Amino acid sequence: ETGVTQSPTHLIKTRGQQVTLRCSSQSGHNTVSWYQQALGQGPQFIFQYYREEENGRGNFPPRFSGLQFPNYSSELNVNALELDDSALYLCASSSPGRVTEAFFGQGTRLTVV
Amino acid sequence: AQSVSQHNHHVILSEAASLELGCNYSYGGTVNLFWYVQYPGQHLQLLLKYFSGDPLVKGIKGFEAEFIKSKFSFNLRKPSVQWSDTAEYFCAVNGGGGSQGNLIFGKGTKLSVKP
Repeated sequence: ETGVTQSPTHLIKTRGQQVTLRCSSQSGHNTVSWYQQALGQGPQFIFQYYREEENGRGNFPPRFSGLQFPNYSSELNVNALELDDSALYLCASSSPGRVTEAFFGQGTRLTVV
Repeated sequence: AQSVSQHNHHVILSEAASLELGCNYSYGGTVNLFWYVQYPGQHLQLLLKYFSGDPLVKGIKGFEAEFIKSKFSFNLRKPSVQWSDTAEYFCAVNGGGGSQGNLIFGKGTKLSVKP
């Protein structure tokens, strides 16, 4: 157990729909990062939130967006879903400091049909 | 751009065999290096990390890794594997000056240990 929880664990959406994934960070962690892990690949960095603001973004289009709330929990929103968005979405939280360890949740498995 | 290369896609070993998983990274500046493990059905968890200092780092469950700066490598080793080490292993790098938690992962190496 890492203290990072994600919901839902699985969901199926239709191409073109929108989806919201949720993450509760570990207690004391104010930084949340989101990753996409396609089948057979390593996790790819989507973006990071620190104190409710986006603080770094990977090579993902604007239809991937996020939010962080005052309690440091976070949402990942994906609009206009495409088949290639099918993946495991991972949330990781970390504590402030120059060098940190990221603690991962178990992920949300998204299937787009 | 930073990148991480893991040489082996799938490694199959018998129990008690020695393990070495290769990892090379591409980044010109100061880096932080990590190995994560993902057991079947479980979350990614940290095995070990290198930030600075002694290039030979020891992690949990008997794993160790050596940072060789001249080779841009951070190979993972274990002298004697167990069946319970069956998992997928990911090498990751974080640019020292970049945003924390922004990890660049390799594609992973699946380790299967035969009892």
